[in-house]
Amino acid sequence: GENVEQHPSTLSVQEGDSAVIKCTYSDSASNYFPWYKQELGKGPQLIIDIRSNVGEKKDQRIAVTLNKTAKHFSLHITETQPEDSAVYFCAASIGGNNRLAFGKGNQVVVIP
Amino acid sequence: DAGVIQSPRHEVTEMGQEVTLRCKPISGHNSLFWYRQTMMRGLELLIYFNNNVPIDDSGMPEDRFSAKMPNASFSTLKIQPSEPRDSAVYFCASLRGTDTQYFGPGTRLTVL
Repeated sequence: GENVEQHPSTLSVQEGDSAVIKCTYSDSASNYFPWYKQELGKGPQLIIDIRSNVGEKKDQRIAVTLNKTAKHFSLHITETQPEDSAVYFCAASIGGNNRLAFGKGNQVVVIP
Repeated sequence: DAGVIQSPRHEVTEMGQEVTLRCKPISGHNSLFWYRQTMMRGLELLIYFNNNVPIDDSGMPEDRFSAKMPNASFSTLKIQPSEPRDSAVYFCASLRGTDTQYFGPGTRLTVL
């Protein structure tokens, strides 16, 4: 089955710097890759997603890049702010259907 | 839109008791997912429904767990009898077609 791994597990950045989180996946049939942000005591919230026919997608300070050949995708957060502190999960669709396989999550800490 | 609604938000019960978690998906969404989140195992898919029909319950840990979706606007996850190792946060998520999954706020279950 699909295996999704995230690196690093914890990331600390100074406010204003950029943060990058990388994920790898194993199933070449995966075609949908969302990123979720989870704050303490809340459910995961979608922040950006990308489909396999696109290499990069950007939404204000957040961007996602996808390399299908290498089977990895990354989340880029620029000009980080304290409210960006959270756990970020990457996911990949399983076999091209509606199910998702999630990574273990990255704790991002933005230091004011 | 109210988003995915889950109840209760917190549940504390004693070992052996029956626990019922409830979910109301976003109106118009035709797929519903139940997840369990723990520190050790991350986000695990327990079961998912499409058009009220269970499609994949391979993630349900054992016979003590059961899930139903009697109509398009309501689902339950039941644990009977509950055990301390069932303590976790349980999330419900829904989607429409091939869009992304939207998560509810979760139910934090503690089994003493």
